[in-house]
Amino acid sequence: DTAVSQTPKYLVTQMGNDKSIKCEQNLGHDTMYWYKQDSKKFLKIMFSYNNKELIINETVPNRFSPKSPDKAHLNLHINSLELGDSAVYFCASSQDLGITSTGELFFGEGSRLTVL
Amino acid sequence: AQSVTQPDIHITVSEGASLELRCNYSYGATPYLFWYVQSPGQGLQLLLKYFSGDTLVQGIKGFEAEFKRSQSSFNLRKPSVHWSDAAEYFCAVGGRAAGNKLTFGGGTRVLVKP
Repeated sequence: DTAVSQTPKYLVTQMGNDKSIKCEQNLGHDTMYWYKQDSKKFLKIMFSYNNKELIINETVPNRFSPKSPDKAHLNLHINSLELGDSAVYFCASSQDLGITSTGELFFGEGSRLTVL
Repeated sequence: AQSVTQPDIHITVSEGASLELRCNYSYGATPYLFWYVQSPGQGLQLLLKYFSGDTLVQGIKGFEAEFKRSQSSFNLRKPSVHWSDAAEYFCAVGGRAAGNKLTFGGGTRVLVKP
């Protein structure tokens, strides 16, 4: 069983469309994250949820809206897609608040979004 | 603000040779330091971490890293590289002062020659 799974793995869409990426973790972790990896491989945190509560919300356009229906799921919805949104989006999870406890984030395999 | 610099974008090493990846960080308090590895098409996997104590930490896959506070560095080493070590390696820093957020470096791609 995959610990952190994301769907879809690849997503190609036109500018202006709305799309969602889903993430599920079966590790029993309390905290989940969305990271964006750009074409230069820079990884930047976007959001973090702890027990369905938003705890980290970086400077991200409000076209990006995370939703956590329960602590095992964290979805990312993107409205009005732009060319600059093309990236690989990684979901991750951690026990408690992660880096101050076990220090380990468990990452999904990523969802590569291409906006044409 | 915290930051991480990995000065080497690419490193090519022969199989069996030693490997050292550099990482310099900037952080205003006691840092928590991490190395992650990303194989092609995969997510990141934790190799090792430093919270406190012994400044030489051992990780998985035969990797180790040394924390040097005076140099703000946390370099990763492996004595003998295997072909399966070809991947992208990311150094990261975080801590309570940063609201538990991890900041990643830009990564170093390691290529292994037969």
